[in-house]
Amino acid sequence: AQRVTQPEKLLSVFKGAPVELKCNYSYSGSPELFWYVQYSRQRLQLLLRHISRESIKGFTADLNKGETSFHLKKPFAQEEDSAMYYCALSHQGAQKLVFGQGTRLTINP
Amino acid sequence: GAVVSQHPSRVICKSGTSVKIECRSLDFQATTMFWYRQFPKQSLMLMATSNEGSKATYEQGVEKDKFLINHASLTLSTLTVTSAHPEDSSFYICSASYRDRGNTIYFGEGSWLTVV
Repeated sequence: AQRVTQPEKLLSVFKGAPVELKCNYSYSGSPELFWYVQYSRQRLQLLLRHISRESIKGFTADLNKGETSFHLKKPFAQEEDSAMYYCALSHQGAQKLVFGQGTRLTINP
Repeated sequence: GAVVSQHPSRVICKSGTSVKIECRSLDFQATTMFWYRQFPKQSLMLMATSNEGSKATYEQGVEKDKFLINHASLTLSTLTVTSAHPEDSSFYICSASYRDRGNTIYFGEGSWLTVV
């Protein structure tokens, strides 16, 4: 069965510090992995997807098939990064998403 | 562009009544839309996949007769919660697939349903 696990419900770091949001998945095939972000009072929006290999707002995520992980990282956190972050996966070529439980990131000044 | 709009954003209904939630892709055509449910402090759970012009595909454990989905046009999908009960109270979110943007998924703002 497909499953996405985000072990941290809450994560708090200071501004300027590195941040890593963990995501592990279980899937028998080759999934497509995503990170979605939800800022306060806003809708869910795509942050990045592993096939794009791009950096958005300073965030990067590398798919590690050996560890079945897709951790989200940013070297220097900013206050505007405070939000709810969801890791998600889908079948390759399909579009329906399986979400992790989400991690609420708080950046302290 | 690529905005998905849900209406209403909040609705309160009495037990036993039915309530309809609309999901519209405002500036693109969406052959596929998705309906999710989110309980407080929990993740999004996919309820069903809505395909334009065909029957929705429901996830295991989701009652088809309880949650009626209609996708009559390329820009509109509706979710009707029939004979609503207090346990149906939840946050319902739709998303739409934008084919011309590599099937990128765009989310609506969500709809709060409270059944009293």
